[in-house]
Amino acid sequence: DIQMTQSPSSVSASVGDRVTITCRASQGLSSWLAWYQQKPGKAPKLLIYGASILQRGVPSRFSGSGSGTDFTLTISSLQPEDFATYYCQQGNSFPFTFGPGTKVDIK
Amino acid sequence: EVQLVESGGGLVQPGGSLRLSCAASGFTFSTSEMSWVRQAPGKGLEWISYISSGGSSKKYADSVTGRFTISRDNAKNSLYLQMDTLRAEDAAVYYCAREISGTMGDAFDIWGQGTLVTVSS
Repeated sequence: DIQMTQSPSSVSASVGDRVTITCRASQGLSSWLAWYQQKPGKAPKLLIYGASILQRGVPSRFSGSGSGTDFTLTISSLQPEDFATYYCQQGNSFPFTFGPGTKVDIK
Repeated sequence: EVQLVESGGGLVQPGGSLRLSCAASGFTFSTSEMSWVRQAPGKGLEWISYISSGGSSKKYADSVTGRFTISRDNAKNSLYLQMDTLRAEDAAVYYCAREISGTMGDAFDIWGQGTLVTVSS
């Protein structure tokens, strides 16, 4: 199985800050990586797939990059509604696996 | 409106069974690949099962293989998860999710609101 790790596990940031989250896979994924945002008590929301393709309706302050084993999610200017937990997920092979999550909270 | 609505969760004793349902609307369910993803209280996301659009291909996580069965009824726009021999560690919110797949890999673009399964005596 492909193992996914994320760093940091949590980050405290202010509105307007640039936030970067890293995801690493135990095997190469090409560009088959997705990012999700989850708020407490809610279902996850797809932000990015194919490592860098923005899902329809997602604000352009979110961007993704990377290929192979190392990937990054960047929020260019943090907004109040962006405080949430973010997960990466490999879509390369079964079993699909998620990273442990990165919680973004208010500094 | 594009929507997935899960039902069937509840309290069950260890060793018991439960059948979850997921009703789809607002998109062409019969051509969509689907999965179940769960989240234990305070924990991360765990993919547990996949089914192809026609139902001929099914995949399971090791943690549920032999105990859970995924199925679908395209005529009823519905997805199911039969859960047998439930354990305490199966307690979680269970989500159904539509899968987008192709040259950019697989991801989940539509999620239900989740249904809570509690396993306790």
